[in-house]
Formats: sequence, structure tokens, C-alpha cells
Amino acid sequence: DLQLTQSPSSLSAFVGDRVTITCRASGSISIYLNWYQQRPGKAPRLLIYAASRLPSGVPSRFTGSGSGTDFTLTISRLQAEDVATYYCQQSYSGPPTFGQGSKLEIK
Amino acid sequence: EVQLVESGGGLVQPGRSLRLSCVGSGFNFDEYAIHWVRQAPGKGLEWVSGISANSGRTKYADSLGGRFTISRDNAKNSLFLQMSNLRPDDTAFYYCVKDSEFLIDARDANFDFWGQGTLVTVSS
Repeated sequence: DLQLTQSPSSLSAFVGDRVTITCRASGSISIYLNWYQQRPGKAPRLLIYAASRLPSGVPSRFTGSGSGTDFTLTISRLQAEDVATYYCQQSYSGPPTFGQGSKLEIK
Repeated sequence: EVQLVESGGGLVQPGRSLRLSCVGSGFNFDEYAIHWVRQAPGKGLEWVSGISANSGRTKYADSLGGRFTISRDNAKNSLFLQMSNLRPDDTAFYYCVKDSEFLIDARDANFDFWGQGTLVTVSS
């Protein structure tokens, strides 16, 4: 199965900061990498699909980039409501797999 | 508005069975694959099983050892997960998740809508 490794596993930043989370795949997955946001006590929601595309309703401060094995989720100006755990996920090969998650907190 | 509502969770003893249900609304249920994804308390997300829109194909996580069966009834906009021989490590929130595609193994698929989850606790 394809493994996804996220870094960092946890991070904290100030409101207004730029935040970056990375996801590395154990094999090439082209652009087929999705990101999910899970706020505390809530179900996950789709944040980014196909590496860089935003679903309707997702704020433009979220951007995704990458292809092959290395991907990045960036929050341009952190807001308090962005406190959450972020997961990357691939369906490119084998069973769908998720990264271990990156927990984001506000300083 | 797309909605997925799970039910059927609860406390069950090891070795027993449980059946989860999910009802979908706000979209053409029979046009999309649907999955179950679980999350043990305080842990990450784990894909469990998926079924194509027309039930023609099903897939399961290897870790289940053949103990779970996924099915759907498109006439009732419903998804099911029959879980047998439950173990304590099956304890988790189980989410019903809509796929963006008809098939369950489309490479460009994503999980575009999630239910709120139902908690299954396996304990004596």
C-alpha cells in the first residue's frame, strides 16, 4: 500500500501567520492527492482535491501544490477557525490511504 | 444540501456482530460510490470499505480479515456495514463518506462529503 507521511505532526502559529504542511508519498501519485480538515469534535471535510483544486466554499487562503511524491498545504493568513487536524489522502493506487495527520494550534 | 446520516453504533461485546446504516440525501445516491472510514478515539483516519454506485464492486481493508460486509440499497438511499466477530481494536467512530466518482477505484477520486459518524465501542 502507498504510505503517506505528513510533517510536522503538530504545529502552532499566530493568527495571520503563513502555515505550511507537507505530505510525502512512498511512490508517485501524480497530482492525485487530497487534503481534509477536521476541526475538534467534527467530521472531516474536503479541503483540497487533485493537489491544488478548491471545492466550493473553501476559503482562498488555503492552497495546495505538488505532484509526484511531494505535496504542500499552505494557509496564507491563519485564522482562529483554522484550528484543526489536517490529513492528506490518496486514491491513486491500492486502497485509499491517509497521512497520520498534522495538528494545528494557535499560539 | 448533501447529507449522510449514520446509525447503528453502540456498545457491543467482543465476538458479537453489529450492523451500521447510512442514509444519504441531497444528491443522486445511485450515481456515486460510498465508503466507510473509521477513526479510533484520538487517532487518525482509516479507510474501511467501499462500494461502487451500482454495487458491482466492493473493496475492503486487508486488516479486517474478511469480517465486514458492505452493501447498499439504492432504492432507499441507504448504505450498510455488517460487522462480525468484533474486536476491541474495532472501537472507533465510523463515518459514511460519499465518493466523487461512480467507481470505487477511480484514481482521481476524493471523499467529498462525510457524515457525522456513529461510535462503535467493543468492550466486555
